[in-house]
Amino acid sequence: AQTIHQWPVAEIKAVGSPLSLGCTIKGKSSPNLYWYWQATGGTLQQLFYSITVGQVESVVQLNLSASRPKDDQFILSTEKLLLSHSGFYLCAWSLTGGSAETLYFGSGTRLTVL
Amino acid sequence: GDSVTQTEGQVTVSESKSLIINCTYSATSIAYPNLFWYVRYPGEGLQLLLKVITAGQKGSSRGFEATYNKETTSFHLQKASVQESDSAVYYCALSEISGSFNKLTFGAGTRLAVCP
Repeated sequence: AQTIHQWPVAEIKAVGSPLSLGCTIKGKSSPNLYWYWQATGGTLQQLFYSITVGQVESVVQLNLSASRPKDDQFILSTEKLLLSHSGFYLCAWSLTGGSAETLYFGSGTRLTVL
Repeated sequence: GDSVTQTEGQVTVSESKSLIINCTYSATSIAYPNLFWYVRYPGEGLQLLLKVITAGQKGSSRGFEATYNKETTSFHLQKASVQESDSAVYYCALSEISGSFNKLTFGAGTRLAVCP
């Protein structure tokens, strides 16, 4: 069975500090990977998409970056956090990039920027 | 761009009563997007509840139903008799291919509280 693990569960960070959030998918080779973000009171927005190692597409510009260093790993990062980065971050995977595909989500990371 | 509008905020229903969470969509790129309901139970990740990819069809899961109505561009979620275990946040979503990837657009989410 496939599993998706996100870390950390929660972070409290200062404005201007760096950030790294991670996501690992086990039990599925070459998945499509996604990062989503939900600001408090806002809607879930797709941030990044990756179909293979080393290739990441940005969907929304939020002064964040993403990388896929391994087939089963997806990293979200920034060198300088903004207050507006606070919110809930979700990693997800799908079998293919088809529009009818089900996305499988991790439990998320709650980020508070002070 | 695409958008999804659903019942705002929190809905409180007594156990064994019926439920409807409204969802309407607007898709700018294609006429008939794929439609989904995702759910997040307390302490768990977001998971698929049901999906319908053909206009006019109905999807069902765990006693929930939703019909893809292309005339009214709606995909309302219904259940005849809710249980306390249905308490969760429900998200309506549509998907389409945008460029080279699958783009999923979510509504704001509706929190369902079922009272015993």
